[in-house]
Amino acid sequence: EDQVTQSPEALRLQEGESSSLNCSYTVSGLRGLFWYRQDPGKGPEFLFTLYSAGEEKEKERLKATLTKKESFLHITAPKPEDSATYLCAVRRVTGGGNKLTFGTGTQLKVEL
Amino acid sequence: DAGVTQSPTHLIKTRGQQVTLRCSPKSGHDTVSWYQQALGQGPQFIFQYYEEEERQRGNFPDRFSGHQFPNYSSELNVNALLLGDSALYLCASSLGTGGTNSEAFFGQGTRLTVV
Repeated sequence: EDQVTQSPEALRLQEGESSSLNCSYTVSGLRGLFWYRQDPGKGPEFLFTLYSAGEEKEKERLKATLTKKESFLHITAPKPEDSATYLCAVRRVTGGGNKLTFGTGTQLKVEL
Repeated sequence: DAGVTQSPTHLIKTRGQQVTLRCSPKSGHDTVSWYQQALGQGPQFIFQYYEEEERQRGNFPDRFSGHQFPNYSSELNVNALLLGDSALYLCASSLGTGGTNSEAFFGQGTRLTVV
């Protein structure tokens, strides 16, 4: 059974205070690790896909990294508009189709 | 380019009733997956449709069924609604199944409330 654990559950930052979100995973053959941003009452918005250990991707103030057991989403100098829930998901190699297994998310609040 | 669209956005139903939710995938996508997201939880996979057939199913009872049409749009049907079916239902579209690394793009969801 694939498992995804995200920490912390909630994070409160001051504007400009950089931090990292963690996603630990257990999957039999990783075919991709996905990061999404979700605003309240909305559908998840795609951010990144990482495929192999050592890979990194960046988008504005966000940078995602991947190891064989976990992924980090680094947020540099966050702004209030970065406040959202960040979801991590994995897709397996065999028998997984396009199924994504999600964690419960990290709820980020960035304050002025 | 229209993204994934879902209808309706909100729905209130009574226990025991049946409901149908609809999804149009992103242009160029042929695979549709449905997820259920309870409050404070991550999305849970219900099933996936490709070439008008259910290809993969999560741990959901037979009360949950679906359909995919030739234009790739999809419906999710839930029979004999329970209070516990109240959730945000998400549709995700992607290209292909199994051997691709296609990103999944989500719609805005349908908020179902069962009373």
